[in-house]
Amino acid sequence: RKEVEQDPGPFNVPEGATVAFNCTYSNSASQSFFWYRQDCRKEPKLLMSVYSSGNEDGRFTAQLNRASQYISLLIRDSKLSDSATYLCVVRIPGDMRFGAGTRLTVKP
Amino acid sequence: DTAVSQTPKYLVTQMGNDKSIKCEQNLGHDTMYWYKQDSKKFLKIMFSYNNKELIINETVPNRFSPKSPDKAHLNLHINSLELGDSAVYFCASRHPGTGELFFGEGSRLTVL
Repeated sequence: RKEVEQDPGPFNVPEGATVAFNCTYSNSASQSFFWYRQDCRKEPKLLMSVYSSGNEDGRFTAQLNRASQYISLLIRDSKLSDSATYLCVVRIPGDMRFGAGTRLTVKP
Repeated sequence: DTAVSQTPKYLVTQMGNDKSIKCEQNLGHDTMYWYKQDSKKFLKIMFSYNNKELIINETVPNRFSPKSPDKAHLNLHINSLELGDSAVYFCASRHPGTGELFFGEGSRLTVL
C-alpha cells in the first residue's frame, strides 16, 4: 500500500464547477499536511497547508481528519487557470511523502 | 532571484555515459532533497541532506551519488546511465519552520 493515496482522476469539469479531491495516508506519525499544485512541465508549488481545524484560502478549502487519516481539497467556482495536477503531501519524521497526484482540467 | 536553481534543464545522453546535475538554493535552508518524477508523474524521493549530511537514501542504485559541498548546494552524479533513468529530476529545499518545499524547475534527463 502506498503511504499517500489520492483519487486517480483525471477530473474534467466545466468552469464554475465545484470539485473535491481526496487523499488518505497510512503513517500515523504524520506531522503536517499540504496540497501542492504542479502545472504541466513545471515544478510543484505549495498551494496551501492543511490544518487540523480546516482552512480556507479564497476558493480553496482544505480539511484534515486525523482519526481517519484523510485529507481533502475543495475548489469552488473553478477557473480555467485551476487546470493542473494536485499533489497531496504528508510530512513524516524527517521526510515528505507525495501522493501520485490528481489531474484536473477545467473546460470553458 | 531564483530560490532553487538546477542545471542543466535538459540533458540528452547515450546509455552508459556519466552525467551530473547541479542544484543551488539561496534560501538559507538546511535540508535539501533530490526527487525523481517518472513518466507516470509520480514524485519519488531519492536523497535528503541536512546541512551537508546524508539523512535519507531511498532504494536508489549506487550509480546515483549525491554530493553536498556546502548546505546551499546538492549535486547529483549518475554513472553508467540506463534507459530507465530517463525522468525529470527535481531538487528541493525545505523551510525549517513551515516545512514548505521549494523546488527547482527540474532537469529533464533523456537516455537514448
